[in-house]
Amino acid sequence: QVQLQQSGPGLVKPSQTLSLTCAISGDSVSNSGAAWNWIRQSPSRGLEWLGRTYYRSKWYNDYAVSVKSRITINPDTSKNQFSLQLKSVTPEDTALYYCARGFRSSYEHWGQGTLVTVSS
Amino acid sequence: DIQMTQSPSSLSASVGDRVTITCRASQSIDSYLNWYQQKPGKAPKLLIYAASSLQSGVPSRFSGSGSGTDFTLTISSLQPEDFATYYCQQSYSNIRTFGGGTKVEIK
Repeated sequence: QVQLQQSGPGLVKPSQTLSLTCAISGDSVSNSGAAWNWIRQSPSRGLEWLGRTYYRSKWYNDYAVSVKSRITINPDTSKNQFSLQLKSVTPEDTALYYCARGFRSSYEHWGQGTLVTVSS
Repeated sequence: DIQMTQSPSSLSASVGDRVTITCRASQSIDSYLNWYQQKPGKAPKLLIYAASSLQSGVPSRFSGSGSGTDFTLTISSLQPEDFATYYCQQSYSNIRTFGGGTKVEIK
């Protein structure tokens, strides 16, 4: 049974870096059939896919155009987890953030969600 | 980016009604289209993948159809637990995108 457990701060100051981690159980971050995603949700932007990391003989990343200059998603094979870093945040980045496993190009397994507020 | 447009944005229906939600892609996405259901305070739940394949454990009253740019999610007989918001999502492009959602409310 795949489970994703998110961790990270719920409050980030403007211009700082948002950092979240998603710990995986029941699967491996190196699974060549899966992809590891970050998705956020806000009333103004709806569900917004942010990016993913995945292993296909080597590591790859894809990022949404809207955040491409500010985002990094990294796998951590030693801890079987992956992380999100979003730099230079503004109040527009306030949202509920989810991690999710991509399999067969869809998202069956999701983390519990982390509400991140950007405020001084 | 591929834009996904859902319609309607909300609808009111009664228990037992047949409900249809439409999703249109800004370019052809073959059958790379998934549907999700979301209830308040919960993560989205996968209902349909690859346009028409029912996810394991999802009731058969849910069905999906379409290919190319036009897709449909149908609930054949609306049940009380189906009142929720529904989202489509394309997985054709490496840059994934979601539709804006359709909220199904009780009439």
